[in-house]
Amino acid sequence: DTAVSQTPKYLVTQMGNDKSIKCEQNLGHDTMYWYKQDSKKFLKIMFSYNNKELIINETVPNRFSPKSPDKAHLNLHINSLELGDSAVYFCASSQGAGTANRFGSGTQLSVL
Amino acid sequence: EDQVTQSPEALRLQEGESSSLNCSYTVSGLRGLFWYRQDPGKGPEFLFTLYSAGEEKEKERLKATLTKKESFLHITAPKPEDSATYLCAVQVVSAGNMLTFGGGTRLMVKP
Repeated sequence: DTAVSQTPKYLVTQMGNDKSIKCEQNLGHDTMYWYKQDSKKFLKIMFSYNNKELIINETVPNRFSPKSPDKAHLNLHINSLELGDSAVYFCASSQGAGTANRFGSGTQLSVL
Repeated sequence: EDQVTQSPEALRLQEGESSSLNCSYTVSGLRGLFWYRQDPGKGPEFLFTLYSAGEEKEKERLKATLTKKESFLHITAPKPEDSATYLCAVQVVSAGNMLTFGGGTRLMVKP
């Protein structure tokens, strides 16, 4: 199956911990993204990354950092987790200008 | 700042009762407008891309249209399986391929 896959599906952790969410796409796309969907279901871009450029939404705290070991992977690292980080995080990818982002199935992060 | 507003927030329809969802936008340099469907617990599923005013796209019971200020998603004779949240998003020239989403319309179709 060609897709965007992310792990884990659910992540429950304590405040102050550091955690990572992994994302892989086998679509051959050149750009990957992380989005955050809050409790009101509003979806907001966090990062856009291809092998040339990282674009960061200015509202994203620097505790969040994307790391890309290769073109098919974009992992999300979160340091010093806070209660307000609880949300669903979606990975996505696209190829070329004006094309749709294809989304993974999401990681529900709960910070206790 | 780019803004995308969807209305209504929620819509209840009887099976077979056609209706439209609205997505109004204020952006600089629209590259494309995208419609997605999102089911509970899943990621957004791509439906349509519209690039210029006057453009229309159709898929089964869904038809998307675009003007210079807004887009409509028309649902003809909906079925219960059309129940989902429908998301509208814009892509602007200055922001690469990133999407700015509206708040979504939660559609419930009763049999």
